[in-house]
Amino acid sequence: KQEVTQIPAALSVPEGENLVLNCSFTDSAIYNLQWFRQDPGKGLTSLLLIQSSQREQTSGRLNASLDKSSGRSTLYIAASQPGDSATYLCAVRPWSNYQLIWGAGTKLIIKP
Amino acid sequence: SAVISQKPSRDICQRGTSLTIQCQVDSQVTMMFWYRQQPGQSLTLIATANQGSEATYESGFVIDKFPISRPNLTFSTLTVSNMSPEDSSIYLCSVERSTDTQYFGPGTRLTVL
Repeated sequence: KQEVTQIPAALSVPEGENLVLNCSFTDSAIYNLQWFRQDPGKGLTSLLLIQSSQREQTSGRLNASLDKSSGRSTLYIAASQPGDSATYLCAVRPWSNYQLIWGAGTKLIIKP
Repeated sequence: SAVISQKPSRDICQRGTSLTIQCQVDSQVTMMFWYRQQPGQSLTLIATANQGSEATYESGFVIDKFPISRPNLTFSTLTVSNMSPEDSSIYLCSVERSTDTQYFGPGTRLTVL
């Protein structure tokens, strides 16, 4: 059974720092992995999707990597800003169906 | 991308009543998903709704408690029936595009007293 873990559960850093959020999964047979952000009281925004055959994806200050063999993905945020404060969730999709398996999220606070 | 709206955005309901949540997508999609996010928790898939067929429910969720309608390719409803305080959650609908990316609505925040 696929399990997704995100560490740390919460992270607080000063503005301007580069940071890394971690996501690990137990079964390497994944179809893709997605990173989302969730702002308080709001829905989810898709940030990056990495297909099984890819190693990384980049969007602006965000870079996500995928290492299936070790069951890990990282989300790198460069030059963090207070507007990056949110909960970041990763989710993996298995080959067998459309259901996403979710991590519990990392709550990120960027201090001005 | 996809533009998804949900109604209501929030509601406070009495125990034993039912609430129907609407999800509207800006273009046709084959599959729509309904999730629940309990306070402080991550997302749990309730069911997958395909147009023209019965919804497929995940373990722990039943049609009598969470009936779903999917009358066309842009719209779906989820009803939370005979509510109890344990049903207090955020309910989200989502769709998947051909790019494999899932897009989410803004959610419905439900409080049951």
